[in-house]
Amino acid sequence: QQPVQSPQAVILREGEDAVINCSSSKALYSVHWYRQKHGEAPVFLMILLKGGEQKGHEKISASFNEKKQQSSLYLTASQLSYSGTYFCGTRDYNTDKLIFGTGTRLQVFP
Amino acid sequence: DTEVTQTPKHLVMGMTNKKSLKCEQHMGHRAMYWYKQKAKKPPELMFVYSYEKLSINESVPSRFSPECPNSSLLNLHLHALQPEDSALYLCASSQVPAYGYTFGSGTRLTVV
Repeated sequence: QQPVQSPQAVILREGEDAVINCSSSKALYSVHWYRQKHGEAPVFLMILLKGGEQKGHEKISASFNEKKQQSSLYLTASQLSYSGTYFCGTRDYNTDKLIFGTGTRLQVFP
Repeated sequence: DTEVTQTPKHLVMGMTNKKSLKCEQHMGHRAMYWYKQKAKKPPELMFVYSYEKLSINESVPSRFSPECPNSSLLNLHLHALQPEDSALYLCASSQVPAYGYTFGSGTRLTVV
């Protein structure tokens, strides 16, 4: 039931791009994306509510493929501040549960 | 005010103690949540309150008892915990369950 994220970890140089994927075994109502820095609380990045929707937030954007029960997070021209663990969160149609994915640890080096 | 405030930030308690965690928000959010997070793991849902009523209990042991006295406040009462309950306890809120969550900075709990 827990969404599976890939890759588990990514190492980047500043300015490089990355894609993080989130796959669910259940039909999804919405997908959230959060970033958590070490020792801090998760911070909300964006929510995707419709199948096929793409949303952007500075140089971070995401897409939601409802049919494939997948979402992808795109980080372009990465900055040092992008380092942290990224979690997707998925909600299905029948409950108020937000279940977090397995997480992807992103490290950006100068 | 765009914050969720959790107190205390750190808590060490014995297995026979009773303690409470507190969470407060003044954003007018009507949904509030408790999550538990172990090191290097994703947050795990414990409880969901929607419009001050408990809507989801994720089969959490009865030694954890949530309470929502009003729309701004959420408590988690702890009693007879086990060492494996040591974790970061995160409170979050959202306008309604469908919207993005704002998390508090968490209470780091150690059970000895």
